[in-house]
Amino acid sequence: EAGVTQFPSHSVIEKGQTVTLRCDPISGHDNLYWYRRVMGKEIKFLLHFVKESKQDESGMPNNRFLAERTGGTYSTLKVQPAELEDSGVYFCASSHRDPRLGGYTFGSGTRLTVV
Amino acid sequence: KQEVTQIPAALSVPEGENLVLNCSFTDSAIYNLQWFRQDPGKGLTSLLLIQSSQREQTSGRLNASLDKSSGRSTLYIAASQPGDSATYLCAFSSRGTSYGKLTFGQGTILTVHP
Repeated sequence: EAGVTQFPSHSVIEKGQTVTLRCDPISGHDNLYWYRRVMGKEIKFLLHFVKESKQDESGMPNNRFLAERTGGTYSTLKVQPAELEDSGVYFCASSHRDPRLGGYTFGSGTRLTVV
Repeated sequence: KQEVTQIPAALSVPEGENLVLNCSFTDSAIYNLQWFRQDPGKGLTSLLLIQSSQREQTSGRLNASLDKSSGRSTLYIAASQPGDSATYLCAFSSRGTSYGKLTFGQGTILTVHP
């Protein structure tokens, strides 16, 4: 089965610009998660979709971040306008069942650099 | 506030050594704890998952233990190989938060040299 696909793999943008990250989960996985790792810090949870609904968005840093999952398939994470502190690696993961039972599959991440 | 602490931050060992990676957490109400491996430029791969009711899990040369009362988990790697070189992350799922949220440590960077 195909894994979780993220693109772009790298993005360099200027402060104030807009960037959209995309995640294609494993087909049939209702649960989709976004995480972020900022330089020197631990990976942090951003939000969790169940199908097209936001189950938990408690980790979203501020209203410059907008996540969508139209139709319960792929998801996008838009940062508008981007700030320097948004630089980091953004990971997407998906799971078929209750992730507390295991079964997370992570994508390779999008490395975002804001200059 | 650091919820998950991993020690050491980096470790370099010769091939063949047995080694222990440590993870401590502050949340006593964990649902489970997982150990992940991350290779450079790649995503995270789940190695072992320990439910809160379990004490340990084993997979091949890997053994992970969980002591909820002390807030600690260890990952034991037997007979290390250069291919084990990677960043190892522990993460827990808490009963106090949504079931999709994992809380991660900063990781231990392991280098096994031939």
